[in-house]
Amino acid sequence: SQQGEEDPQALSIQEGENATMNCSYKTSINNLQWYRQNSGRGLVHLILIRSNEREKHSGRLRVTLDTSKKSSSLLITASRAADTASYFCATGHDRGSTLGRLYFGRGTQLTVWP
Amino acid sequence: GAVVSQHPSWVICKSGTSVKIECRSLDFQATTMFWYRQFPKQSLMLMATSNEGSKATYEQGVEKDKFLINHASLTLSTLTVTSAHPEDSSFYICSARDRLADYSYNEQFFGPGTRLTVL
Repeated sequence: SQQGEEDPQALSIQEGENATMNCSYKTSINNLQWYRQNSGRGLVHLILIRSNEREKHSGRLRVTLDTSKKSSSLLITASRAADTASYFCATGHDRGSTLGRLYFGRGTQLTVWP
Repeated sequence: GAVVSQHPSWVICKSGTSVKIECRSLDFQATTMFWYRQFPKQSLMLMATSNEGSKATYEQGVEKDKFLINHASLTLSTLTVTSAHPEDSSFYICSARDRLADYSYNEQFFGPGTRLTVL
C-alpha cells in the first residue's frame, strides 16, 4: 500500500507538554505532508517536506524526514488545548500514474488536556 | 488565497436518489481536483482524480458508474453519487491543485467537506 501509517493512533497529553507523532510509508516519495483535522471538518495543511529535506520548522511545529527509514515525525512543542485534533501524514509520489496523488495514513488523534 | 469550497456542507437523502456535490476553487484555477471519502475516525481514501476537460481517473475499487465526476471548468468539479444507498453515507472531501503551481510537489488545497447521510 502507498498509504502512510501513523503511530500512535491516539495520544493524550497535558497542556505545555510536547506531542510527537510518527509516520511510516512503504514506497519512494516525492514529498510528505502533515495535515490537521478537527472533528467533522476539512483538512488544514500544516507543513510539506520534500524528499531532499531532512527537517523543517513552522512555528511550534517541527517535522523530520528520514527517507532511508521511510519515516517522518511531527513534533508539536508546548501544546495547547486548541491543538486537540486528528493529525494525518500524506505521501506524494513521483512515479507514473501516482504523480500528483496524495495517500493518507490513518491518523493520530491528539487530545491535549488543559 | 487558495480557498476551496464545497456545496452543500451536508445533505440527507433517501435511498435510491442521486446527490451532487460541488467543489470550487475560489481564487485560483485548478486543472486537477481530487475526491476523497472518509468514514468516521478513519483516514481519507482517494476515490478519483478529476481532470478539467477529460475523463476522471478512478482508484481501484471505486465504481465509476456509481460516482460520476465532471470537471467542466477550471474552477469547478462535481461528484454525483448515483442511486445512493446507506453504505454511501460518508464524509466527502475534495482538493484542488493550482494550475500555476509546481506539480512535482503535490500541494493540494482542501475543501471543508460534505457530510452525506443516506436514509
